[in-house]
Amino acid sequence: QVHLVESGGGVVQPGRSLRLSCAASRFTFNNYAMHWVRQAPGKGLEWVAVIWYDGSDKYYADSVKGRFTVSRDNSKDTMYLQMNSLRAEDTAIYYCARDRCSGGDCFLDYWGQGTQVIVS
Amino acid sequence: QSVLTQSPSASGTPGQRITISCSGSISNIGNNTVKWYQHLPGTAPKLLIYYNNQRPSGVPDRLSGSKSGTSASLAISGLQSEDEADYYCAAWDDSLNGYVFGTGTKVTVL
Repeated sequence: QVHLVESGGGVVQPGRSLRLSCAASRFTFNNYAMHWVRQAPGKGLEWVAVIWYDGSDKYYADSVKGRFTVSRDNSKDTMYLQMNSLRAEDTAIYYCARDRCSGGDCFLDYWGQGTQVIVS
Repeated sequence: QSVLTQSPSASGTPGQRITISCSGSISNIGNNTVKWYQHLPGTAPKLLIYYNNQRPSGVPDRLSGSKSGTSASLAISGLQSEDEADYYCAAWDDSLNGYVFGTGTKVTVL
């Protein structure tokens, strides 16, 4: 069974930085694009970023563009989210998710349990 | 900001059928496929529907998805207490070059 575990969350002051990790196991990590999705308190799911299977392409939500950087180390089966210039509105549970393509579509088929980030 | 609009809530009694709608635009739902996710806060979201109407293995056939133009919907028939959760539509947006989620619909089983 695919396993995704986020870590690195915590309490951080506004303007500071934090790096999240997403450790993957039980599948061939370097075959899949990966996403970060967050949920702020009392809010819905918000997509944050995606990185291609080989790291060659990355896309970001406008709300984090220029402040967050997604990366991956396929030798370690791990994806990262470097979050700089953090704001109160970045407070959320951050989930990583696998992007699987099948049957003519791509979708987020497995998600981690999330890591909490509090900017205060 | 969510560019896919959903009704905030839906409810029904056990056994009933409910429908959740998702309204978007040409750049997202119009040009791309729709997925649906179920989420209980604090847990990992679960994929329910991909490619507008396809169910992954393990998702019961009482859940069904459809898409027409720039709108999509998720129907849940034979409503059960375990269906109480938040539901989100999602699609790639060509203008934003990013994935977008709907505003979410909270389903309550009365």
